[in-house]
Amino acid sequence: DAKTTQPPSMDCAEGRAANLPCNHSTISGNEYVYWYRQIHSQGPQYIIHGLKNNETNEMASLIITEDRKSSTLILPHATLRDTAVYYCIVRAPRAGNMLTFGGGTRLMVKP
Amino acid sequence: ETGVTQTPRHLVMGMTNKKSLKCEQHLGHNAMYWYKQSAKKPLELMFVYSLEERVENNSVPSRFSPECPNSSHLFLHLHTLQPEDSALYLCASSQGLGGTVEQFFGPGTRLTVL
Repeated sequence: DAKTTQPPSMDCAEGRAANLPCNHSTISGNEYVYWYRQIHSQGPQYIIHGLKNNETNEMASLIITEDRKSSTLILPHATLRDTAVYYCIVRAPRAGNMLTFGGGTRLMVKP
Repeated sequence: ETGVTQTPRHLVMGMTNKKSLKCEQHLGHNAMYWYKQSAKKPLELMFVYSLEERVENNSVPSRFSPECPNSSHLFLHLHTLQPEDSALYLCASSQGLGGTVEQFFGPGTRLTVL
């Protein structure tokens, strides 16, 4: 699976949009982009995934560039409870292909 | 609540002890996973079970022994651990292994080996 690069940490003001970038310049055509987050001392939580179209759900939006070499996770109105480590993972959807977690981005939402 | 429970939530054990971690999923999934998360390191996949058969073993030392008696339960048996095995042990489940499956994680067991 392709590797991903994320900034180690970011700050965001409460109520503002949090935009978390991810680079995956070696992504293959069949690889999806997944986002998970891990709130302190809890297990990771799935947020969203996409292939090439932008995706939105009740938690976040995922914007994937046209060349698919990077993506941005957007939390439209960040709250203090969104403080967590956010993981961007690239994975091809075939059996036996596991999620590989990197270091992620530690997002700190501040009042 | 993710539908995946783990017990105990915290465990302290000596190097000569034998203990077991338990994971139960209430989601009707058929695949289950053990991950290890050490301080300041990424999550490491340890074992994967699909339809109660082990399909992945990522070079995990034999002092960790998994068991999957049915599709809802997963155990991690521990014996003669080392202090460097102290970590957060996470269980996850999913419906199948392929496709764009989402994994659901439990809250983890915080293990301390003295």
